[in-house]
Amino acid sequence: EPEVTQTPSHQVTQMGQEVILRCVPISNHLYFYWYRQILGQKVEFLVSFYNNEISEKSEIFDDQFSVERPDGSNFTLKIRSTKLEDSAMYFCASKVVNEQFFGPGTRLTVL
Amino acid sequence: KNQVEQSPQSLIILEGKNCTLQCNYTVSPFSNLRWYKQDTGRGPVSLTIMTFSENTKSNGRYTATLDADTKQSSLHITASQLSDSASYICVVSAGDYKLSFGAGTTVTVRA
Repeated sequence: EPEVTQTPSHQVTQMGQEVILRCVPISNHLYFYWYRQILGQKVEFLVSFYNNEISEKSEIFDDQFSVERPDGSNFTLKIRSTKLEDSAMYFCASKVVNEQFFGPGTRLTVL
Repeated sequence: KNQVEQSPQSLIILEGKNCTLQCNYTVSPFSNLRWYKQDTGRGPVSLTIMTFSENTKSNGRYTATLDADTKQSSLHITASQLSDSASYICVVSAGDYKLSFGAGTTVTVRA
């Protein structure tokens, strides 16, 4: 059964460094999403992406964040200058019609 | 502001017993309501999805109900198994792009 994959599973970085989180959505899906979940808190929407552009973004998704679909398969989330409070699980999701399928997540730890 | 509230925050049940989780929402306009199961350190996995016109949906031992008038939903787990130990998240969609997540109910099933 096709699934959303994410790499790496765990990323440790120093504050101020740039990180790129990678996702491979399910191949025929057209809508792509990033969410984050700070430890012990609820999942929060970051951004949605359709037709090679951002459809909607939350207030969390500020200028430090960017998304890209550099080729036909990958969907990336870049954080330009990480802060301690960026430490969280980051989930990618994709959908074709109605239901979003989530990846296993990348745990980002900012030291 | 769109909000999704879940109760209880956590519960412990004995293997084989039933339990019911609650979700109240104030999301508008309402598109659909989903229940997800999230194992520790993993991405959410969809259990059920219900639109405005549906008031019950089952997926194996999981049965979800929806009362769109009172904006309430429940998830009933029948004959619980150890593998049901997880966080169960109620997610309400206000449209195509953004999902509003509840904080989840942590269920622990004990032998």
